[in-house]
Amino acid sequence: AQRVTQPEKLLSVFKGAPVELKCNYSYSGSPELFWYVQYSRQRLQLLLRHISRESIKGFTADLNKGETSFHLKKPFAQEEDSAMYYCALSVDNYGQNFVFGPGTRLSVLP
Amino acid sequence: KAGVTQTPRYLIKTRGQQVTLSCSPISGHRSVSWYQQTPGQGLQFLFEYFSETQRNKGNFPGRFSGRQFSNSRSEMNVSTLELGDSALYLCASRYGTTNTGELFFGEGSRLTVL
Repeated sequence: AQRVTQPEKLLSVFKGAPVELKCNYSYSGSPELFWYVQYSRQRLQLLLRHISRESIKGFTADLNKGETSFHLKKPFAQEEDSAMYYCALSVDNYGQNFVFGPGTRLSVLP
Repeated sequence: KAGVTQTPRYLIKTRGQQVTLSCSPISGHRSVSWYQQTPGQGLQFLFEYFSETQRNKGNFPGRFSGRQFSNSRSEMNVSTLELGDSALYLCASRYGTTNTGELFFGEGSRLTVL
């Protein structure tokens, strides 16, 4: 079965420090992976997707099929990055077409 | 372009009642999916509708049902409410010709069951 894990429920870093939010997935097919973010009092929104290979708000994520990982990284965290981050796997079948991880709450301290 | 709109935003029901939630997708989006979000279980997929047909379904009991209208607006219904149904119900839309692609979420309907 498809599954997404995010081992850290809460991650606290100081402003200016590097941050890495971990995501691992299990899926036998060709995965399409996303990072969604939910800032306080805002709706869940897409941060980035692996097929676009772009950097959004300084965040990048690389799909590592060998390690089945899609970790989210930013070299210098900002206070406005504090939010809930969800890794999501999209599968092209007729079951759960989006599987979300449990989420990691990132807290960037001043 | 208007975003995904969900109504009502908040509601309180008692056990045994039923509830209907509504979702208006982004104009032009034909796929609407529903998710249940709780602190313990996170985001769980309920079902997806495309062109008025249920295309995907998650592992929820038959008390949870939905439908989609010709204008792509969708409703979900929960019958015989239980305390455990208290959650934030999120609707998401996308263009939807395939089963992949970015989801655009609404702000959710927060259901409290007493």
